[in-house]
Amino acid sequence: DAGVTQSPTHLIKTRGQHVTLRCSPISGHKSVSWYQQVLGQGPQFIFQYYEKEERGRGNFPDRFSARQFPNYSSELNVNALLLGDSALYLCASSLFDFSRELFFGEGSRLTVL
Amino acid sequence: AQSVTQPDIHITVSEGASLELRCNYSYGATPYLFWYVQSPGQGLQLLLKYFSGDTLVQGIKGFEAEFKRSQSSFNLRKPSVHWSDAAEYFCAVGDTAGGTSYGKLTFGQGTILTVHP
Repeated sequence: DAGVTQSPTHLIKTRGQHVTLRCSPISGHKSVSWYQQVLGQGPQFIFQYYEKEERGRGNFPDRFSARQFPNYSSELNVNALLLGDSALYLCASSLFDFSRELFFGEGSRLTVL
Repeated sequence: AQSVTQPDIHITVSEGASLELRCNYSYGATPYLFWYVQSPGQGLQLLLKYFSGDTLVQGIKGFEAEFKRSQSSFNLRKPSVHWSDAAEYFCAVGDTAGGTSYGKLTFGQGTILTVHP
């Protein structure tokens, strides 16, 4: 069975640009969460979505947004990129919104120049 | 607010030696606790989890962890380390209170494990 898949795996952007990251959860999983992992730190929670509704938001500016589609896949959007947005963006899926066992993808490595 | 502290940023052990990675958490009630492992350039793989019950939890790859409420700790152990265990290890706490985002885990800073032959 396929795990959580994320695309693209690597990308380079310049300051001020916009980026869209994509995530497909494990088949049957209805909840998707997004995390940002800056080099040398642990992942930080950005969003959780379940049944297309936002169920939680971390301490990130409004430049960060996300959505979930009817097939439970998800997009993370970041506007007006800053150098500090350079990080590994991890997507995790779980069966339900109250499931605390998360399954992570391999991430999208974003570099902002 | 919940928090996780991993006091050791980097640990080096010899292959075959025992291993203990420390994790302390701050949370008002009994938390949900996790250990994840991350190889370079990879995502996170769940090693083990504690939700309730027996405080000694067995995980994959021969790892175990013990929940000690009195010490607010959830240390990860392995009796004999293999070279393939070299990676970064993250302790995480999940909220048990209702009405919050269940997909939110709070992670520690991580401990990098180096294994010498």
